[in-house]
Amino acid sequence: DTGVSQDPRHKITKRGQNVTFRCDPISEHNRLYWYRQTLGQGPEFLTYFQNEAQLEKSRLLSDRFSAERPKGSFSTLEIQRTEQGDSAMYLCASSLNLDSPLHFGNGTRLTVT
Amino acid sequence: QQQVKQSPQSLIVQKGGISIINCAYENTAFDYFPWYQQFPGKGPALLIAIRPDVSEKKEGRFTISFNKSAKQFSLHIMDSQPGDSATYFCAASRGGNNRKLIWGLGTSLAVNP
Repeated sequence: DTGVSQDPRHKITKRGQNVTFRCDPISEHNRLYWYRQTLGQGPEFLTYFQNEAQLEKSRLLSDRFSAERPKGSFSTLEIQRTEQGDSAMYLCASSLNLDSPLHFGNGTRLTVT
Repeated sequence: QQQVKQSPQSLIVQKGGISIINCAYENTAFDYFPWYQQFPGKGPALLIAIRPDVSEKKEGRFTISFNKSAKQFSLHIMDSQPGDSATYFCAASRGGNNRKLIWGLGTSLAVNP
């Protein structure tokens, strides 16, 4: 399977802890996106990379959130000092070009207790 | 404010019937209108997309109808099958820009056998 893969699939953490998620995009895709999805909502854009450069961050991405894509391949999303409001599905997507179709991974479901 | 309004929130259709999901948008600058299909525990997957230079696009059993003057577009699923049971999201953006996709709230479709 050469689709977008995300790890872990599920993460349960206590409030105040730090968590890190990983995304491996489709290999030839140089655009990588992070989204957050809560129940009953569509995905909300968080941030976007072109190769290793983080080109845009949503206002939804507070200072507790940081994303990296160090070698222009896989990406990590870290949430520091998690809050219950951070509980959501975190989706990664990649695309060949900015206006090419998005290919989503199956997400990491975060539960903050 | 919800720039893309999707209805209905949920839909139940008998096998073989036609499923119709509607979306309305406000921003006349939008020029890319994709539909995504999402199964439980999976990320969204692009189903079909349309640009406003055509009024209809068909791919297999899935058809998008587009009404530029009314600022509305709809997804029709012909001969609906139980395997079509999923959540469907419409979205819109300007210039096909994935970073700026505005998503509807989704329609949960159940196709009864």
